[in-house]
Amino acid sequence: NAGVTQTPKFRILKIGQSMTLQCAQDMNHNYMYWYRQDPGMGLKLIYYSVGAGITDKGEVPNGYNVSRSTTEDFPLRLELAAPSQTSVYFCASSSGTSYPYEQYFGPGTRLTVT
Amino acid sequence: QQQVKQSPQSLIVQKGGIPIINCAYENTAFDYFPWYQQFPGKGPALLIAIRPDVSEKKEGRFTISFNKSAKQFSLHIMDSQPGDSATYFCAASIETGANNLFFGTGTRLTVIP
Repeated sequence: NAGVTQTPKFRILKIGQSMTLQCAQDMNHNYMYWYRQDPGMGLKLIYYSVGAGITDKGEVPNGYNVSRSTTEDFPLRLELAAPSQTSVYFCASSSGTSYPYEQYFGPGTRLTVT
Repeated sequence: QQQVKQSPQSLIVQKGGIPIINCAYENTAFDYFPWYQQFPGKGPALLIAIRPDVSEKKEGRFTISFNKSAKQFSLHIMDSQPGDSATYFCAASIETGANNLFFGTGTRLTVIP
């Protein structure tokens, strides 16, 4: 199993550009999550999904959009990138059905907006 | 607004020492408290977790102590090793539903050989 994969690993965007961060998992997990990690701030939940076709906002959803058309894929869309979106983005997945409800994280995408 | 407060921000100990990382929360609906470990350039990975019906949980050299009345919990690492050098995050969630995690701000631990 590859687990949770994310592409790209690094990206530099200019202000106002758009991009999609890709996330895929091969563990047949229903639950998927997008987090951003900023220095000294921990991880903040952007969006999450409890299954194909179902998505919902987390703590910091502004400026982002998601879709979940399949169990495996959960892309994160940035529209009109702003410097405040400079961060490391992590995708995670979980079966969500049995303790300890482990979330499996991908390797992250480091995004810089200039 | 930080739902889970974590301290210290960084910690340096000698090999064999017992680093302690502390977390506090306000939301009494939280009923699941995991700790995640993150190495540089990697995503976080689950280390150990506890539910509030027990006051302590031990897995190998890692122990969570939980104080429900004080709304605090802590991670102890026994006989710390240089390989334990990483960033540690506490988190909290409500176990039902999507189990969305609220993370602390992280503690960067360095274990000196």
